[in-house]
Amino acid sequence: SQQGEEDPQALSIQEGENATMNCSYKTSINNLQWYRQNSGRGLVHLILIRSNEREKHSGRLRVTLDTSKKSSSLLITASRAADTASYFCATADGGYQKVTFGIGTKLQVIP
Amino acid sequence: DAGVIQSPRHEVTEMGQEVTLRCKPISGHDYLFWYRQTMMRGLELLIYFNNNVPIDDSGMPEDRFSAKMPNASFSTLKIQPSEPRDSAVYFCASSFVASEQPQHFGDGTRLSIL
Repeated sequence: SQQGEEDPQALSIQEGENATMNCSYKTSINNLQWYRQNSGRGLVHLILIRSNEREKHSGRLRVTLDTSKKSSSLLITASRAADTASYFCATADGGYQKVTFGIGTKLQVIP
Repeated sequence: DAGVIQSPRHEVTEMGQEVTLRCKPISGHDYLFWYRQTMMRGLELLIYFNNNVPIDDSGMPEDRFSAKMPNASFSTLKIQPSEPRDSAVYFCASSFVASEQPQHFGDGTRLSIL
């Protein structure tokens, strides 16, 4: 069963705009990760946020985590056409290695 | 350093045939994972290994599926006999044992069962 559920399922924006994707989960977690998947490729790890962290930055990425609401958001600032991909959240509720992925948000950035 | 290597990239076969998917993890990684991705069910963990030993195979859909890891540099996922509902993209991923290390994915095998 899916632990994380991303919202929206699809998002289309103009290049230069910001993109925000949300993830909700059901059980308590140790950490939450975000991955990107380009069409026809495997997933690539973007960022990990621990359950005791509220916000984390990496380049144009900003991730927030609200454990009281069991939700996380991924913000991509100043989007580029190359950001076009599907984005997945993944949660680890026990041992780190066993993570559960959401359905994903398909982001299209229009040049 | 080479990433996770999967073969074949595409496989088309007829129902009832045996299918073998292969994976070479990143050298030094202690964990290896097999996932299946479909539009309907998303990305599902099938099985994972630690130091070549299967740890959790609760995601393997049925007895037609089996996975082995005979050594640290090679793993196979076998489907016998295959069925059309097995059509999906199968991914292999590997990671270090240290906590909070990311998983590194191969580019997958797109499997079509006719």
